[in-house]
Amino acid sequence: GAGVSQSPSNKVTEKGKDVELRCDPISGHTALYWYRQSLGQGLEFLIYFQGNSAPDKSGLPSDRFSAERTGGSVSTLTIQRTQQEDSAVYLCASSKTVNTEAFFGQGTRLTVV
Amino acid sequence: SQQGEEDPQALSIQEGENATMNCSYKTSINNLQWYRQNSGRGLVHLILIRSNEREKHSGRLRVTLDTSKKSSSLLITASRAADTASYFCATDARNFGNEKLTFGTGTRLTIIP
Repeated sequence: GAGVSQSPSNKVTEKGKDVELRCDPISGHTALYWYRQSLGQGLEFLIYFQGNSAPDKSGLPSDRFSAERTGGSVSTLTIQRTQQEDSAVYLCASSKTVNTEAFFGQGTRLTVV
Repeated sequence: SQQGEEDPQALSIQEGENATMNCSYKTSINNLQWYRQNSGRGLVHLILIRSNEREKHSGRLRVTLDTSKKSSSLLITASRAADTASYFCATDARNFGNEKLTFGTGTRLTIIP
């Protein structure tokens, strides 16, 4: 595809369930980012992958959150035992290398009920 | 902590007027970027200014960067109703291994027709 693709676009889940969010970055982009955005707020950094380097996980809010990037391409963000405060839009972005323009997906709106 | 902070948080102006938004950051950077977000979903890249540049133009956009003050401004000239959106600055820290793209809190711009 031409852009960053995220799925699902919307997800409603019950409190305590696990969810997986998927991000397909632009082909050939080595950098991939996950952010979280609550309504009317800024972007909260979660995790950053760059090539084969160890990911920067410094933004993950708790050990319920994890992410992986397989084969330097597709990434999944997993939230275990979801809580209501996890409700937000989760945004993925990729860039060709570090220090270049980032391209964003349309996000996954997660609602925990 | 947030690398970038925009001000004002919200700005309303009449169509045709110029809009100025400011961004301050804390650490040395490689680049500073400005993004636009409509309707709380994916962000769109507007302009990138490198740390050795002082000013950059793109259409009706003018960005300045003052690395001594660790600040940047985004000027939108001759505003249009379609410019209504949230605007974010983003920086990547210069430290090797810490190049993740960090976003500010954003300015919500409303253009009044």
